[in-house]
Amino acid sequence: TQLLEQSPQFLSIQEGENLTVYCNSSSVFSSLQWYRQEPGEGPVLLVTVVTGGEVKKLKRLTFQFGDARKDSSLHITAAQPGDTGLYLCAGEFWSGGSNYKLTFGKGTLLTVNP
Amino acid sequence: NAGVTQTPKFQVLKTGQSMTLQCAQDMNHEYMSWYRQDPGMGLRLIHYSVGAGITDQGEVPNGYNVSRSTTEDFPLRLLSAAPSQTSVYFCASRPGLAFYEQYFGPGTRLTVT
Repeated sequence: TQLLEQSPQFLSIQEGENLTVYCNSSSVFSSLQWYRQEPGEGPVLLVTVVTGGEVKKLKRLTFQFGDARKDSSLHITAAQPGDTGLYLCAGEFWSGGSNYKLTFGKGTLLTVNP
Repeated sequence: NAGVTQTPKFQVLKTGQSMTLQCAQDMNHEYMSWYRQDPGMGLRLIHYSVGAGITDQGEVPNGYNVSRSTTEDFPLRLLSAAPSQTSVYFCASRPGLAFYEQYFGPGTRLTVT
């Protein structure tokens, strides 16, 4: 079983602060996805990283995939109350034949206070 | 284009009752999945399907059945509800495997008393 450990589990910060969320595993993944989930809704994809060492930027969000494709980080610059939500990482791995499976971390609940 | 739809939004069952959670997608995606989300446990895969007529078990399949008679629909059946099945259930679909985005429905919040 491929496990993804996310940290921290909870994060409460003030508007304007920077933060980093981590997603770590002992397994190698084909790709890693980051989702954000708001209360009462399903998760929505933010980004997919595929290549070891890859860095992707989405406005104030920066995503990095580790060189060995076992870990990833999400950095938010100058957080805003609208960034509040549950951030989930999901690693995709080959499970045999033409099958790929997606396994999710337990999430980081971010609260940005005005 | 409605994406992934789920019904009902909320449901309360008594222990031992059965019910079906409905899921439909209009994006012609081959791959569909059911997850449950519990506090502190993240999203756990219940069952998935790689196409009409093909289903397989995920991480936590006990107490649930699925079928996939059409590309669009993927219902989840609770055979005999138990309090341990109290959770939020999400249906999801993807156009392919390997690097493709997963689209989630809005969820069904189920309480079993």
